Amino acid sequence: GAVVSQHPSRVICKSGTSVKIECRSLDFQATTMFWYRQFPKQSLMLMATSNEGSKATYEQGVEKDKFLINHASLTLSTLTVTSAHPEDSSFYICSAHGTSGAYEQYFGPGTRLTVT
Amino acid sequence: GNSVTQMEGPVTLSEEAFLTINCTYTATGYPSLFWYVQYPGEGLQLLLKATKADDKGSNKGFEATYRKETTSFHLEKGSVQVSDSAVYFCALSDRGYSSASKIIFGSGTRLSIRP
Repeated sequence: GAVVSQHPSRVICKSGTSVKIECRSLDFQATTMFWYRQFPKQSLMLMATSNEGSKATYEQGVEKDKFLINHASLTLSTLTVTSAHPEDSSFYICSAHGTSGAYEQYFGPGTRLTVT
Repeated sequence: GNSVTQMEGPVTLSEEAFLTINCTYTATGYPSLFWYVQYPGEGLQLLLKATKADDKGSNKGFEATYRKETTSFHLEKGSVQVSDSAVYFCALSDRGYSSASKIIFGSGTRLSIRP
């Protein structure tokens, strides 16, 4: 089956620094990738939709200048949390949709970000 | 707007018990419906799906039927195992089967199975 990886799986950073999270589709090309945020014991909230080669579409209430998304190739999307603060601590999950035409979103294992 | 409501957890059952996790949805048009499972420390996995009314999705002994008349997609399993302990998310996609569309998730139900 299709595999999506995320790197790193865990990261701890200091307040004010920036952190980049990578999402890769390992054995298929992903025209569209989605970034979600999951708070402890809560559901996933969609942050943005990323299409290869174009600007990401952000959900209402998500600061695009704080959460920078780049989808430069068909197998890689990155989420950069800029000037991170403790309230940005969360579990970030990406998913990828393939180019085959059949519906399926494949989810990455998630990245746990802790901002101290 | 579109939304998904599922029963709150946690749900604790004994091994071999019957499981039902209720899920109802609100959507315009004809959404696709999903159940995802998240095992401890892992990402989401698609458990089963149904793309039109009266479809039954099934996998690993779990089943759910797309009921348009009651806007429901309840998850059932006849005999649960300890290995089924996880968080289960009901979800819908509002743009049809073959499009890359965003998924709207329910709040999740934590299931714990006692040996």
